[in-house]
Amino acid sequence: EAQVTQNPRYLITVTGKKLTVTCSQNMNHEYMSWYRQDPGLGLRQIYYSMNVEVTDKGDVPEGYKVSRKEKRNFPLILESPSPNQTSLYFCASSLTPAGNQPQHFGDGTRLSIL
Amino acid sequence: AQSVTQLGSHVSVSEGALVLLRCNYSSSVPPYLFWYVQYPNQGLQLLLKYTTGATLVKGINGFEAEFKKSETSFHLTKPSAHMSDAAEYFCAVSDLRAGGTSYGKLTFGQGTILTVHP
Repeated sequence: EAQVTQNPRYLITVTGKKLTVTCSQNMNHEYMSWYRQDPGLGLRQIYYSMNVEVTDKGDVPEGYKVSRKEKRNFPLILESPSPNQTSLYFCASSLTPAGNQPQHFGDGTRLSIL
Repeated sequence: AQSVTQLGSHVSVSEGALVLLRCNYSSSVPPYLFWYVQYPNQGLQLLLKYTTGATLVKGINGFEAEFKKSETSFHLTKPSAHMSDAAEYFCAVSDLRAGGTSYGKLTFGQGTILTVHP
């Protein structure tokens, strides 16, 4: 089944404790991105990747890191999480970076930073 | 920069009634437009998209949307609401790189929660 898989689905942690949210897709997609969803703000892009080893900042990259060493994986790293990073996070992928391609979303990761 | 405005953060309809969710966008060039639906505890699913061609776009679950360039709108409709349509709906537009080509970044509206009453 074609899918985008995120782990963990839920995480409660404390300020400053490094964490990684994994994202993997099995569709051989070139383009991957991370969004955060906050009430009343919709989804905002954090980082994106056009292909392996090609990443760039989205609209809200502060406090986050990413890497794309393999085509299928695009982990999101919070080196020193803070409470303002409490949010619902989505990984998405599309076949190519072209703007007319629909994006496939994972089921989300709900992070609570205390 | 692109922007998307969804009018009404909450819309409530009766089962069998018309569903109308409003979306207006700003774009300096003809945009690529999308509607996504989010059910509780799930990711976003594509309902429909407009890229080029016919301005009336049909999607899944009986939804459709019409691209109106003159009104910069892309409203989502369904003739008869079903209880299973209760969800949050997002309108989105593909962003533009310098030079005017669209790429995969999506700019989303704030979302509209649809409630369907029996």
